[in-house]
Amino acid sequence: GENVEQHPSTLSVQEGDSAVIKCTYSDSASNYFPWYKQELGKGPQLIIDIRSNVGEKKDQRIAVTLNKTAKHFSLHITETQPEDSAVYFCAASGGSSNTGKLIFGQGTTLQVKP
Amino acid sequence: DAEITQSPRHKITETGRQVTLACHQTWNHNNMFWYRQDLGHGLRLIHYSYGVHDTNKGEVSDGYSVSRSNTEDLPLTLESAASSQTSVYFCASSPGQQPYEQYFGPGTRLTVT
Repeated sequence: GENVEQHPSTLSVQEGDSAVIKCTYSDSASNYFPWYKQELGKGPQLIIDIRSNVGEKKDQRIAVTLNKTAKHFSLHITETQPEDSAVYFCAASGGSSNTGKLIFGQGTTLQVKP
Repeated sequence: DAEITQSPRHKITETGRQVTLACHQTWNHNNMFWYRQDLGHGLRLIHYSYGVHDTNKGEVSDGYSVSRSNTEDLPLTLESAASSQTSVYFCASSPGQQPYEQYFGPGTRLTVT
């Protein structure tokens, strides 16, 4: 089955710097890659996603890139702000079983220092 | 507005007791999922359902059960609670077709003493 690895597990940046979180997946048939942000005491919330027919997607300060050949995808946050501090999860779906399940990475705790 | 809710938000129970966590969504989504979240493990799938009367085991299903009698609800039951089941539990739902975006509830923090 699908396996998703996420790095780093913790990331600390200064306000205004960029942050990059990377994920790799194992099932080459996976075709949907969402990113979730989880604030303290809340459930994960989708912030951006990408499908396998697209190499990059941007939404204001957030971008995601996908390399299907290498089976990895990354989240880029530019001009980080303290409110970006949270746990971020990547996930993959639509693989060989194509059942709608999401397989999650282990999560990255991002701390943005003012 | 449509939403997904979980109850209770916090629960303390004793080892060996049966516990049921509720999940209710008003989006009329076909797919519903239960995850547990533990430090270092991210979100692990416990059980999931693709529709009424359909249930499937996830990667960490031992000691848990679910039933789906209607579209809106997927209760999670711990048959005999164990300390290893102390965790934060999240319910999620999705429409049932691609791109499979899932919407999460606020979570239930369960402590088994």
